[in-house]
Amino acid sequence: DVKVTQSSRYLVKRTGEKVFLECVQDMDHENMFWYRQDPGLGLRLIYFSYDVKMKEKGDIPEGYSVSREKKERFSLILESASTNQTSMYLCASRDRVGEKLFFGSGTQLSVL
Amino acid sequence: AQSVTQPDIHITVSEGASLELRCNYSYGATPYLFWYVQSPGQGLQLLLKYFSGDTLVQGIKGFEAEFKRSQSSFNLRKPSVHWSDAAEYFCAVGVHNTDKLIFGTGTRLQVFP
Repeated sequence: DVKVTQSSRYLVKRTGEKVFLECVQDMDHENMFWYRQDPGLGLRLIYFSYDVKMKEKGDIPEGYSVSREKKERFSLILESASTNQTSMYLCASRDRVGEKLFFGSGTQLSVL
Repeated sequence: AQSVTQPDIHITVSEGASLELRCNYSYGATPYLFWYVQSPGQGLQLLLKYFSGDTLVQGIKGFEAEFKRSQSSFNLRKPSVHWSDAAEYFCAVGVHNTDKLIFGTGTRLQVFP
């Protein structure tokens, strides 16, 4: 079965720190996504990538960047963490458009 | 821009009762549509999807959904709810010629015995 692994389940960082969230998938999927999940707001798309070194902004990219140097790995970067970036971050991958997403178990990030 | 609306934030039903969760989308082209479920402390699991063809789609755990183009809706239904169905349900919409997938805000389902 497809496995999407997020490096940390819980993370606590201080305001202003640079934060890296890592995501690895093991099924050679083309597309990878980063969402954040907040109560009452559902899942909001931050960035997605449809191929190595290719990325597109989602609906809330401000304050974030991404990196996809290898097909299996998609990193989310908070350049200077702020308290309003405290959230659950979900990574997902899929083989191609129209196929289902496979989600990681999430990283609960707290920025103090 | 495409968007998804789930108008019901929280729904409570009795076990054995029927269920309908609403989902409306906004996009000019033909979308493809998904319903995902997230149980407490769990990841998201796909219930069903509509890509093309038959507008009534069957999914796992006894769920079904109907795509109604005229109403821009993709409502999720189940004839008899079980206590284990208590979870948060998300509708998602994508567009055939892009990679973007947008989720709704979710509906939390509570089931009383």
